[in-house]
Amino acid sequence: AQKITQTQPGMFVQEKEAVTLDCTYDTSDQSYGLFWYKQPSSGEMIFLIYQGSYDEQNATEGRYSLNFQKARKSANLVISASQLGDSAMYFCAMREGYRNAGNMLTFGGGTRLMVKP
Amino acid sequence: EPEVTQTPSHQVTQMGQEVILRCVPISNHLYFYWYRQILGQKVEFLVSFYNNEISEKSEIFDDQFSVERPDGSNFTLKIRSTKLEDSAMYFCASSEEGQRDEQYFGPGTRLTVT
Repeated sequence: AQKITQTQPGMFVQEKEAVTLDCTYDTSDQSYGLFWYKQPSSGEMIFLIYQGSYDEQNATEGRYSLNFQKARKSANLVISASQLGDSAMYFCAMREGYRNAGNMLTFGGGTRLMVKP
Repeated sequence: EPEVTQTPSHQVTQMGQEVILRCVPISNHLYFYWYRQILGQKVEFLVSFYNNEISEKSEIFDDQFSVERPDGSNFTLKIRSTKLEDSAMYFCASSEEGQRDEQYFGPGTRLTVT
């Protein structure tokens, strides 16, 4: 079974509108972390936002927020007020196990977001 | 802002040759990683490194791969005898021990094996 599932291979959004990118995960660990990365066409991986499994509040970083629904095992990324520069691939990733920063990340297949002017 | 750097940005090599990919992690970070991304596919974990030894590795990381921290700043990935299927983008990442454990990625090295 896939540990990280991103069901939207591609999405369009109108500039200045909000968009939600879906991510569901599968783990039996109680302690885990969820990450979102942005990969523009230039290829680098840019860290966006992190949510720990024990964090009670949804993470927010500027225009990015994470809609964390633990019971449903989902960690959707919400981008508010989309900008043309948001056009990129977006990857959801999970670190399983105790929060010691030494664990591998497992990535989903990604969602390509295209922002229309 | 500190960042992870990688050299070269693009490496072309012939099948069977050895390549060394270089990374300079963020200076106060203690954990180092290599990932790869075959064109159009998801990012895959290769290996993690802490305290001068491998802490975790995937099944991709077989005997043809090795990692080293030759000095206080560099972190290298060596592929001993490259195969066509090793063609990919290779990302180095690092993270610090402590409250926040996000991994910061370098810009990647695109390896092309011909």
